[in-house]
Amino acid sequence: GAVVSQHPSWVICKSGTSVKIECRSLDFQATTMFWYRQFPKQSLMLMATSNEGSKATYEQGVEKDKFLINHASLTLSTLTVTSAHPEDSSFYICSARDLQGFGYTFGSGTRLTVV
Amino acid sequence: GESVGLHLPTLSVQEGDNSIINCAYSNSASDYFIWYKQESGKGPQFIIDIRSNMDKRQGQRVTVLLNKTVKHLSLQIAATQPGDSAVYFCAERATSGTYKYIFGTGTRLKVLA
Repeated sequence: GAVVSQHPSWVICKSGTSVKIECRSLDFQATTMFWYRQFPKQSLMLMATSNEGSKATYEQGVEKDKFLINHASLTLSTLTVTSAHPEDSSFYICSARDLQGFGYTFGSGTRLTVV
Repeated sequence: GESVGLHLPTLSVQEGDNSIINCAYSNSASDYFIWYKQESGKGPQFIIDIRSNMDKRQGQRVTVLLNKTVKHLSLQIAATQPGDSAVYFCAERATSGTYKYIFGTGTRLKVLA
């Protein structure tokens, strides 16, 4: 079945630094990838929709200059949290839609802690 | 963002009993729904899906019911097992063609031995 690999699984960084999270579709091509954020004991909140070869579409209230998304190929999307602050600490999850299916496959998530 | 929950409701079920997890969705135009299972520290896993032109779909030990009149989804798990303990989310595809999914608030299922 479809597999989405997300890396790193966890990262600790200092305030003011930037962190890049990768999301790869391993055995299929993903024209569209989605980035979610999840706070403890809460649901997944869609941050942005990433389309290969074009600019990402951000949800209302999500700062595009802070959360940079790049989807340069059909198998890779990256989320860069720029100038991270403690309030950016969260669980970030990507998902990918394959070319044929309706369903989505999720990555295993990245736990970001900003100290 | 949308559908951000304040806290997760919990459903405690005895092992071997059936579980019913409910979800209210927001958009009457949603045409496709998925139930996901999320274990602690992991990404969501697909369980079962249903299109809006159906009212019931069965999988292995799981059944999803859709009531479009009241915008309600339920997930039934038969003979609940300890491995079913997780958080369950429903997700709706808001508008046909956009493929953007909005997640419900989630329910934590605890299976008691």
